[in-house]
Amino acid sequence: DGGITQSPKYLFRKEGQNVTLSCEQNLNHDAMYWYRQDPGQGLRLIYYSQIVNDFQKGDIAEGYSVSREKKESFPLTVTSAQKNPTAFYLCASSATGTGVTEAFFGQGTRLTVV
Amino acid sequence: AQSVTQLGSHVSVSEGALVLLRCNYSSSVPPYLFWYVQYPNQGLQLLLKYTSAATLVKGINGFEAEFKKSETSFHLTKPSAHMSDAAEYFCAVSDGAGYSTLTFGKGTMLLVSP
Repeated sequence: DGGITQSPKYLFRKEGQNVTLSCEQNLNHDAMYWYRQDPGQGLRLIYYSQIVNDFQKGDIAEGYSVSREKKESFPLTVTSAQKNPTAFYLCASSATGTGVTEAFFGQGTRLTVV
Repeated sequence: AQSVTQLGSHVSVSEGALVLLRCNYSSSVPPYLFWYVQYPNQGLQLLLKYTSAATLVKGINGFEAEFKKSETSFHLTKPSAHMSDAAEYFCAVSDGAGYSTLTFGKGTMLLVSP
């Protein structure tokens, strides 16, 4: 089955640690995205990538970093500079082209600072 | 800049009643609009999308939405609620065709009582 796989589903981080969230897709999509979800806040864009080896900051990129070395993979690192990292993180992908393309989402990773 | 406003963080209906979830958008260009549904601790699933082909859009699970340019609205409706419809619903606007970053509303939690 084609889809987006995020791992782990739950992640606990100690203060001052960096952690990396995995996102893999087998939909052959060029574009990938990371969103952060907080209760009552909707989803906010962290980073996005249209093509391998290229990515752009979204609305709340501070304290996060990404890489896009392979088309299938778009890992997100939550650094110690992110002051409030506890949230639900969603990865998405979409095709590119001339038509309207919807985003497909993974099942999410819930990150908790302990 | 685009924005999405969802009126009502919670909407309660009885099983069998009409579901109406409100969404108003702001966009400087012709918008591409989406409704997504999220079940607890899950990713987002696309319900329907507006692509300018027709103002009344039918989606999955009996949902539909009507695009009204004069009112800048894209409200989601379903004639008869089912218990399985209880979830959080997000309206989103895209900044263009091709690859697209989404701007989300804050979500509306739909509660369905027997």
